[in-house]
Amino acid sequence: GENVEQHPSTLSVQEGDSAVIKCTYSDSASNYFPWYKQELGKRPQLIIDIRSNVGEKKDQRIAVTLNKTAKHFSLHITETQPEDSAVYFCAASNPQGGYQKVTFGTGTKLQVIP
Amino acid sequence: EPEVTQTPSHQVTQMGQEVILRCVPISNHLYFYWYRQILGQKVEFLVSFYNNEISEKSEIFDDQFSVERPDGSNFTLKIRSTKLEDSAMYFCAVGGASGYEQYFGPGTRLTVT
Repeated sequence: GENVEQHPSTLSVQEGDSAVIKCTYSDSASNYFPWYKQELGKRPQLIIDIRSNVGEKKDQRIAVTLNKTAKHFSLHITETQPEDSAVYFCAASNPQGGYQKVTFGTGTKLQVIP
Repeated sequence: EPEVTQTPSHQVTQMGQEVILRCVPISNHLYFYWYRQILGQKVEFLVSFYNNEISEKSEIFDDQFSVERPDGSNFTLKIRSTKLEDSAMYFCAVGGASGYEQYFGPGTRLTVT
C-alpha cells in the first residue's frame, strides 16, 4: 500500500517568513496530492491540492509543487501569518471513478511567531 | 464543499461497551469513508462504503467494527466492545463533485475509560 513520509514534524517561523513542508510517497500509481490544515480539535480542512498532470499550483500565499519522478511534493506558504499556525498534513491517493482512499503523512506542526 | 455532520461530538464510554457513531452527509454521495485519528497522530483510513457494502477496509477495521447505512441517509460506525486504544477522533468523509477532493465531517471524539 501507499506510504507517505512528511517532514519536518515541527516548524517554527517568524511572521512574514516562508514555510516549506516536504513529503514523499511510495506508490507510483498515486496521482492526486491534497494538503490539509488541521486546527486543534477541528477537522482536517482541504487547503490546496495538485494532480499529477501538473508540476505546480498556486493559490494566493500557498503553493504546491510535485515531482513525480522523485515522488516528492511540497507545500510552500509565503508571508506567514499567526493564523497559519496549525498542523498540516500532506496526503496521496489514486482516485478511481469517484472512489479514493486517502493516505496521510504524519503531519507538521507549524508555529508562526508574531 | 459538501456539508457533513457527525453525532455525537463527544462520546465517553466504558471499556467493553458498544458505541455507534453517526454521520449525515447533506448531499447525495456514492462513497463514504471513516477515518480515525489518535490524539497527536496522523489521520488513518478505516473503511470505505459503497452501495450498501464495504468496498475496502484497513487492518485496523477488525471484527469489532461494522458500518451500515440504516435508513439511506445516516451512515454509522459501530464499535461492539470498545477498548482503551479505541480512544480517538473518528471522522466521516465524502467525496467532492470532481471525484478528487475528499471532505471531512467535524468528527466525534471517543473517550474509552
